[in-house]
Amino acid sequence: EAQVTQNPRYLITVTGKKLTVTCSQNMNHEYMSWYRQDPGLGLRQIYYSMNVEVTDKGDVPEGYKVSRKEKRNFPLILESPSPNQTSLYFCASSLSAYYGYTFGSGTRLTVV
Amino acid sequence: GIQVEQSPPDLILQEGANSTLRCNFSDSVNNLQWFHQNPWGQLINLFYIPSGTKQNGRLSATTVATERYSLLYISSSQTTDSGVYFCAGLEGGGNKLTFGTGTQLKVEL
Repeated sequence: EAQVTQNPRYLITVTGKKLTVTCSQNMNHEYMSWYRQDPGLGLRQIYYSMNVEVTDKGDVPEGYKVSRKEKRNFPLILESPSPNQTSLYFCASSLSAYYGYTFGSGTRLTVV
Repeated sequence: GIQVEQSPPDLILQEGANSTLRCNFSDSVNNLQWFHQNPWGQLINLFYIPSGTKQNGRLSATTVATERYSLLYISSSQTTDSGVYFCAGLEGGGNKLTFGTGTQLKVEL
């Protein structure tokens, strides 16, 4: 089944403890992105990647890192999480600029 | 940046009713998608529709790109249709979706 897989689905962590949210797609998509969703602020892009080893900042990149060493994987790294990074996170992928995006099931992160 | 506006913000329907959701978008939007966010938070892709009309079961969508709007039609609504419906515009480079603020739909028995 064609899909974007995120893990974990739920995570509660403490301030300052490094964590990684994994994202993997099995559709050979070039484009991948991370978004966060917050009440009143909607969905905002954190980082995106248009190909292997090519990543760039979205609208809210502060406090996050990403890497794209393989086409299928696009992990989101929080080096030192803070409570303001408590959010619902989505990974998404697309074949190219002229195709729609497929989203993962989301990761609910709580930083205490 | 691009702008995407949705209406209405909230909608309550009786099961079996039909509804139309609207999305207006700015000139720089090349392509448009509709999503449904279910009560569990999952974002489900409904339509990728830069122009024209598409149908999938009880749902259909029409985008009139020259007039910068898109419509999502829900017919014979069911309680499982409840949730938030988002439209999102894709910028020229294809690397970013800008989401509207959504339409919160509740379908009651």
